[in-house]
Amino acid sequence: QSALTQPASVSGSPGQSITISCTGTSSDVGGYNYVSWYQQHPGKAPKLMIYDVSIRPSGVSNRFSGSKSGNTASLTISGLQAEDESDYYCSAYTSGSTIVFGGGTKLTVL
Amino acid sequence: QVHLVESGGGVVQPGQSLRLSCAASGFTFSYYAMHWVRQAPGKGLEWVAVIPYDGSTKYYADSVKGRFSISRDNPKNTLYLQMNSLTPEDTAVYYCARGHLSMLRGVDAYWGQGTLVTVSS
Repeated sequence: QSALTQPASVSGSPGQSITISCTGTSSDVGGYNYVSWYQQHPGKAPKLMIYDVSIRPSGVSNRFSGSKSGNTASLTISGLQAEDESDYYCSAYTSGSTIVFGGGTKLTVL
Repeated sequence: QVHLVESGGGVVQPGQSLRLSCAASGFTFSYYAMHWVRQAPGKGLEWVAVIPYDGSTKYYADSVKGRFSISRDNPKNTLYLQMNSLTPEDTAVYYCARGHLSMLRGVDAYWGQGTLVTVSS
């Protein structure tokens, strides 16, 4: 149950697009279309942004999109806004019927 | 409106036990898998355990297997986490979270506010 690999930090200017990667193995990210992304502001509970690789829950801005290629999933945020500055986590279902999270990525809006 | 409220956190000494509870409301509790996820101070999210809607086969992270036990009482709309043989590495905010109708999809959009467990001598 090794954590999925995410970059520790990414940054972008308002209006730009950024992409956060989430790399696993064929036993988790690559093996199933059950990758989720969460946004977490300091001191708050995580918020679901994407599930099943690319599906946005109701109420989540369409500036957020998800995709997957092989063992790597990606979260793209377009038209960056100051309010997007937060920590982002990916998670995936595993062949052991468990869930594994990524280490988290801190997004800074410059 | 979905509401999840954890309780039972506190300060305990290494080797001791603690039981967390999570009261659920606003949805049909008995339909959904439920998860516990924890977050150590200043660290990332760590998935802990999941229990399916009927409480049958439960799954655990390797880090807690054999020490923690997840359970649920559907008539009481309550989820539990029994934590034994606690170590300082178990210090974290523990979140109760609703799963999707399918357990494979992981944690859904609904999380509690978290309860802090501190293991220290």
